[in-house]
Amino acid sequence: GENVEQHPSTLSVQEGDSAVIKCTYSDSASNYFPWYKQELGKGPQLIIDIRSNVGEKKDQRIAVTLNKTAKHFSLHITETQPEDSAVYFCAASITGNQFYFGTGTSLTVIP
Amino acid sequence: SAVISQKPSRDICQRGTSLTIQCQVDSQVTMMFWYRQQPGQSLTLIATANQGSEATYESGFVIDKFPISRPNLTFSTLTVSNMSPEDSSIYLCSVDAGTDAYEQYFGPGTRLTVT
Repeated sequence: GENVEQHPSTLSVQEGDSAVIKCTYSDSASNYFPWYKQELGKGPQLIIDIRSNVGEKKDQRIAVTLNKTAKHFSLHITETQPEDSAVYFCAASITGNQFYFGTGTSLTVIP
Repeated sequence: SAVISQKPSRDICQRGTSLTIQCQVDSQVTMMFWYRQQPGQSLTLIATANQGSEATYESGFVIDKFPISRPNLTFSTLTVSNMSPEDSSIYLCSVDAGTDAYEQYFGPGTRLTVT
């Protein structure tokens, strides 16, 4: 089955700096890659996603890039704010039903 | 996106007992999913529930331990049976509710502690 690795497991940045989280996947058939933000005591919230026919997608301060050849995708958060502090999960899916999640990145934005 | 609620939000249960978790969504959805998130860990899919059919379980999860009901297009339940401390986790339901069928939205989760 699919195997998703995520790095780093923890990340601390100064407010205003950028944060980058990277994921790799093993199954070249995967074609959907969502990113979720999970705040303490809450369920994961979909923040951005990308399909395999697209190389990059942006939504305000958040962007995701996908390299199908290398089988990796990344989340980029610019101009970080304290409210960006949370655990971020990447995932990969072939069918859109079964999601394989990465192990999570705990992001701390230091004011 | 869909608005999803779960009941209870948390519970402390004794080993050997069972707990039923409810998931309610504010719109009709085709597919509902149940995940387990062990403390500090990632999310693992337990099963997929379609209305009118038996749930499909992932490897390592069985119906006798995690029976699921899906009586209509807005509601599902997950029962954690004969609980042991290893079942202490957050249980999350999600729904396939976007105009793009690949999107999944999660409920707030049920935090279960088994003593």
